Amino acid sequence: AQSVSQHNHHVILSEAASLELGCNYSYGGTVNLFWYVQYPGQHLQLLLKYFSGDPLVKGIKGFEAEFIKSKFSFNLRKPSVQWSDTAEYFCAVNLKGSQGNLIFGKGTKLSVKP
Amino acid sequence: NAGVMQNPRHLVRRRGQEARLRCSPMKGHSHVYWYRQLPEEGLKFMVYLQKENIIDESGMPKERFSAEFPKEGPSILRIQQVVRGDSAAYFCASSPFGAGDTDTQYFGPGTRLTVL
Repeated sequence: AQSVSQHNHHVILSEAASLELGCNYSYGGTVNLFWYVQYPGQHLQLLLKYFSGDPLVKGIKGFEAEFIKSKFSFNLRKPSVQWSDTAEYFCAVNLKGSQGNLIFGKGTKLSVKP
Repeated sequence: NAGVMQNPRHLVRRRGQEARLRCSPMKGHSHVYWYRQLPEEGLKFMVYLQKENIIDESGMPKERFSAEFPKEGPSILRIQQVVRGDSAAYFCASSPFGAGDTDTQYFGPGTRLTVL
């Protein structure tokens, strides 16, 4: 079955620490990949997306993600986190040529200590 | 340009009542997706609609749940005879093209349904 796995349920970091959140997917075809962020009390916002081309994708607020096709992975990174990055992060995938419905991971809660 | 709007933001129903959740897509978007998020779970796809058409309802429970997106007005997700297991956050997303290749979905704030 198609699925998306996010390895960490809850990550706690101090400000200025580097961040890497794992995301692996299980899909037979060619995929589009997304990271969404949900700040406390707010709706999901698109952080970055990959459709094709350069596998290193830069998003908003200093985030980036790298698509490694051989590993079926799309890990999210940020070199130096801030307290304001405290949020829940969701990886999502859809299949190219599909109707577009997204398959989401369970999410990773990031807590950044000031 | 207003984003995706959902109302109500919070809805409390007793078992057996009906719940109606509304979603107004972004201006210019004619494709709407509904997702459900159970506690400690990721979002799960329920249904995909275009104006006046249900395109994919493969994620929708077979009974009690229905969705529509009329020519005029918001998309409605309707849950009849709610049960405690329906308590969840329901998110709506809209997109301009509805194509899996290059499209991006923009999410509303969600409706948190609590069934007593």
